[in-house]
Amino acid sequence: GAGVSQSPSNKVTEKGKDVELRCDPISGHTALYWYRQSLGQGLEFLIYFQGNSAPDKSGLPSDRFSAERTGGSVSTLTIQRTQQEDSAVYLCASSSSPGVTTQYFGPGTRLTVL
Amino acid sequence: KNEVEQSPQNLTAQEGEFITINCSYSVGISALHWLQQHPGGGIVSLFMLSSGKKKHGRLIATINIQEKHSSLHITASHPRDSAVYICAVRSNYGGSQGNLIFGKGTKLSVKP
Repeated sequence: GAGVSQSPSNKVTEKGKDVELRCDPISGHTALYWYRQSLGQGLEFLIYFQGNSAPDKSGLPSDRFSAERTGGSVSTLTIQRTQQEDSAVYLCASSSSPGVTTQYFGPGTRLTVL
Repeated sequence: KNEVEQSPQNLTAQEGEFITINCSYSVGISALHWLQQHPGGGIVSLFMLSSGKKKHGRLIATINIQEKHSSLHITASHPRDSAVYICAVRSNYGGSQGNLIFGKGTKLSVKP
């Protein structure tokens, strides 16, 4: 069956431009997570969606970052006015429920801000 | 102090060796995950533990909730086990219970 997919796989943009990253979770998974991995750094949590509940945005680094999840499925992470420090691999994961369950990771989007 | 600490940071082993990677955490948790990230960047979830021990093939994961410690063991290691192994915990204190807190990873290299 299909796993978590993300697009694009690579994105190069100029400083100041806006970018949108897409995540398609596993069908039927109600929980969706966005993480970021900067070069040489560990993974860090960005935002979490669970069903129709208000998302947990506690990990978003600035108000330039936002995310939405339409119809409880596909999610888009938007970064406005990108900065060079936004360069990282952005990973999406989904799980069947928000409880103690396995998260399945997508392949990530490598974002490079020039 | 990081909430999730892994040791060692780097580990080089000879093929066939028994490998142990350790993870200590300082927060109350509802679950602990061991993840594997290959050089290409893909992340695979190996185990999710809330107590005791789990085994999958040559991989064994244990957790001691009282000591806030988990170990990942690899028996009969092989070069294809070379990857970064990441410990992550789901906290159970206030605020969000949805996100994982990650360790910095252990880079394992198994030589033939």
